Amino acid sequence: AQKVTQAQTEISVVEKEDVTLDCVYETRDTTYYLFWYKQPPSGELVFLIRRNSFDEQNEISGRYSWNFQKSTSSFNFTITASQVVDSAVYFCALSEGEDSSYKLIFGSGTRLLVRP
Amino acid sequence: GAGVSQSPRYKVAKRGQDVALRCDPISGHVSLFWYQQALGQGPEFLTYFQNEAQLDKSGLPSDRFFAERPEGSVSTLKIQRTQQEDSAVYLCASSLVPPGGPREQYFGPGTRLTVT
Repeated sequence: AQKVTQAQTEISVVEKEDVTLDCVYETRDTTYYLFWYKQPPSGELVFLIRRNSFDEQNEISGRYSWNFQKSTSSFNFTITASQVVDSAVYFCALSEGEDSSYKLIFGSGTRLLVRP
Repeated sequence: GAGVSQSPRYKVAKRGQDVALRCDPISGHVSLFWYQQALGQGPEFLTYFQNEAQLDKSGLPSDRFFAERPEGSVSTLKIQRTQQEDSAVYLCASSLVPPGGPREQYFGPGTRLTVT
């Protein structure tokens, strides 16, 4: 069955530290899509990235980077030089290619607190 | 341009009351999703519309939950005879029709439902 696991419930770092948020997924589909969303205190989920299962290239966007490894079913997210504004709950999500609705299956989230 | 809007933002209902939650998706977005987010958890899929057609309602927890999108734009999620376990944030998301896999979903701010 499909599942997304974010084992880190809460992480606290001091500003400017690097931090990695872990995501492990389970799916039987060979075609699938992985997402990261940010949920700041205001509550609105903000899209960060989408990857498909055929593209294992790592991606960097400013201070954000993502490491996709099919061999370990992981899609980890790293924030470099964290800032207070990065404080939020981060969700990893999976969408299966055989599911025509393309609904998102979310992990339980990791709460990141960046202290000044 | 305008994002996804939801109303009301907060709703308090007495157990047994019916409630109706509204979602206005981004103009031109054919796909519309409803999710339920319990406190401290990731969002869980409820139902999916493509235009006015409800193509997936596998996540609706009981027959007390009903959703519609009669003209393919605004959607309403109705909960009849509310129970305390219905207390959650209800999130609406919209996206473009996905050629080549799911597109990113844009989320509204949510409606926080409290059943007393």
